[in-house]
Amino acid sequence: EAQVTQNPRYLITVTGKKLTVTCSQNMNHEYMSWYRQDPGLGLRQIYYSMNVEVTDKGDVPEGYKVSRKEKRNFPLILESPSPNQTSLYFCASSFTRLAGVLSTDTQYFGPGTRLTVL
Amino acid sequence: AQKITQTQPGMFVQEKEAVTLDCTYDTSDPSYGLFWYKQPSSGEMIFLIYQGSYDQQNATEGRYSLNFQKARKSANLVISASQLGDSAMYFCAMREGTGGGNKLTFGTGTQLKVEL
Repeated sequence: EAQVTQNPRYLITVTGKKLTVTCSQNMNHEYMSWYRQDPGLGLRQIYYSMNVEVTDKGDVPEGYKVSRKEKRNFPLILESPSPNQTSLYFCASSFTRLAGVLSTDTQYFGPGTRLTVL
Repeated sequence: AQKITQTQPGMFVQEKEAVTLDCTYDTSDPSYGLFWYKQPSSGEMIFLIYQGSYDQQNATEGRYSLNFQKARKSANLVISASQLGDSAMYFCAMREGTGGGNKLTFGTGTQLKVEL
């Protein structure tokens, strides 16, 4: 079954304790992305990756790190979490669309990770 | 300026009736794609429907249709024959065409409640 998986699904942690949220996809997608969802703000992109070893900042990258060593995995790292990073996090993947090409390729979303930082 | 605007924070509709969820967008890119996603209370994001900026006809997927008015920059979602299971948060999103990749810019969502 084609899917994007995230772990953990729920996490409560304390300020400053490093954590990693894993994301894995089995669709051979080049493009992967992390979003955070906050009430009244919709989803905002944190980081994205166009392919292995290629990552770039999204709209709200402060306080986050990512890496893309393998095509299927795209972990999100919070080196020193703070309460303002309490949020619902989504990983998403799709085939990479080339510049100027209009494509119907949709993004597949993982189930979400609900993070609470105390 | 907001790129995606959803002006209805919450909507109520009676079962079996049709409902329209509003979405307006702002872009200067001639190539773009518009998406609607459904987020039930369980939290997952479910893709519903897509409309490309060059598509001549409005997109339809089962009970979902997209009322695309390019000149007005609106992409309203129409759900026909509402069902209780349609109760969820609905997000409109846009992907602009000039840059590569697939970044989606989301609106703030509309919470739809279907009543008996």
